[in-house]
Amino acid sequence: DAEITQSPRHKITETGRQVTLACHQTWNHNNMFWYRQDLGHGLRLIHYSYGVQDTNKGEVSDGYSVSRSNTEDLPLTLESAASSQTSVYFCASSESGRDTQYFGPGTRLTVL
Amino acid sequence: AQKITQTQPGMFVQEKEAVTLDCTYDTSDQSYGLFWYKQPSSGEMIFLIYQGSYDEQNATEGRYSLNFQKARKSANLVISASQLGDSAMYFCAMRVGVGGTSYGKLTFGQGTILTVHP
Repeated sequence: DAEITQSPRHKITETGRQVTLACHQTWNHNNMFWYRQDLGHGLRLIHYSYGVQDTNKGEVSDGYSVSRSNTEDLPLTLESAASSQTSVYFCASSESGRDTQYFGPGTRLTVL
Repeated sequence: AQKITQTQPGMFVQEKEAVTLDCTYDTSDQSYGLFWYKQPSSGEMIFLIYQGSYDEQNATEGRYSLNFQKARKSANLVISASQLGDSAMYFCAMRVGVGGTSYGKLTFGQGTILTVHP
């Protein structure tokens, strides 16, 4: 079955380190998204991509970057992790021209 | 800017009864989409139902229906015949605009925790 996976599921890192969270989908969806979920804020969009080599900033993109070298993957990089980036991160994907997104299981990141 | 408001931090319902989760939205765009997602304690986000701003009929998906009142800018989720497995966090979300650069740019509310009692 097609799916969307995230790795690692849990990560603890130190302030200042670079961290990359992986997202891989097998639906062949062109659209991919990264959100963070924090108490009191719901989910907020970090970055998104509508296809290979396309990346766009979302609502809370500072301190994060993404790259899209193929259809299946959209890794999220924290350039220099900060304690404020402690959160649960969700990756999602959707078909071109379609709104409904399908989410991965999430990655819980703790920055100490 | 668009905004989604869920005013009920928590709701309780008896098993087999119906429950309504409130969602109001704010946008000046004429074209938008409204979504509901369920997040059980395991953490995954599960898509439940979608309503387009031009859809004249309220969306339904099994036990879920979306009570869309455009003039009031509300998009309440109705769950009929609640089950214990419906206990979860529920998020309302909105996408504003049309075309390729708008798809998927969702704005989420803060969520409502639903507890179903036996």
